Amino acid sequence: KQEVTQIPAALSVPEGENLVLNCSFTDSAIYNLQWFRQDPGKGLTSLLLIQSSQREQTSGRLNASLDKSSGRSTLYIAASQPGDSATYLCAVSNSGNTPLVFGKGTRLSVIA
Amino acid sequence: DAMVIQNPRYQVTQFGKPVTLSCSQTLNHNVMYWYQQKSSQAPKLLFHYYDKDFNNEADTPDNFQSRRPNTSFCFLDIRSPGLGDAAMYLCATSKFTGADTQYFGPGTRLTVL
Repeated sequence: KQEVTQIPAALSVPEGENLVLNCSFTDSAIYNLQWFRQDPGKGLTSLLLIQSSQREQTSGRLNASLDKSSGRSTLYIAASQPGDSATYLCAVSNSGNTPLVFGKGTRLSVIA
Repeated sequence: DAMVIQNPRYQVTQFGKPVTLSCSQTLNHNVMYWYQQKSSQAPKLLFHYYDKDFNNEADTPDNFQSRRPNTSFCFLDIRSPGLGDAAMYLCATSKFTGADTQYFGPGTRLTVL
């Protein structure tokens, strides 16, 4: 059974810092991996989707990498801003037809 | 803008009183999902529809039911809410499969008194 772990559970950084959020999964035979952002009391917003054949995806200040063999993904946020404060969740799909398995997320606070 | 809409945003019900949560989408996506999310927890998939085909997760309690009368709408029915069912309920869609990018609604926060 696929399990997704995100460490740390919470992270606080000063504005302007570059930071890395970590995601690990137990079954490396994934189809793809997605990173989401969730603001308090709100739904999830998809940030990046990495197919199993890809090593990384970039969108603006965000860069997600995938190392399937080691069961790990990282989300790199450059030049963090207070508006980046949110919970970041990663989720994996084991095949084209199976639903996503989510981690519990990392709660990020960027302090001005 | 195309989007996923959930109504109501906040729902208060009494212990044992049936409640229905609503989700609609303008994305014309084939797949619709219902997740339950409790505080500081990962979203837990309850069930999903691929078009009209219903897929129930093995550990979803019988107390939870769903209906999808057409492509645009999907409902979550909780037949006899218990205190443990208080949570955020998230609706999501994806174009073809579970591995496609999922688009989430804002959620419905359910309180059970």
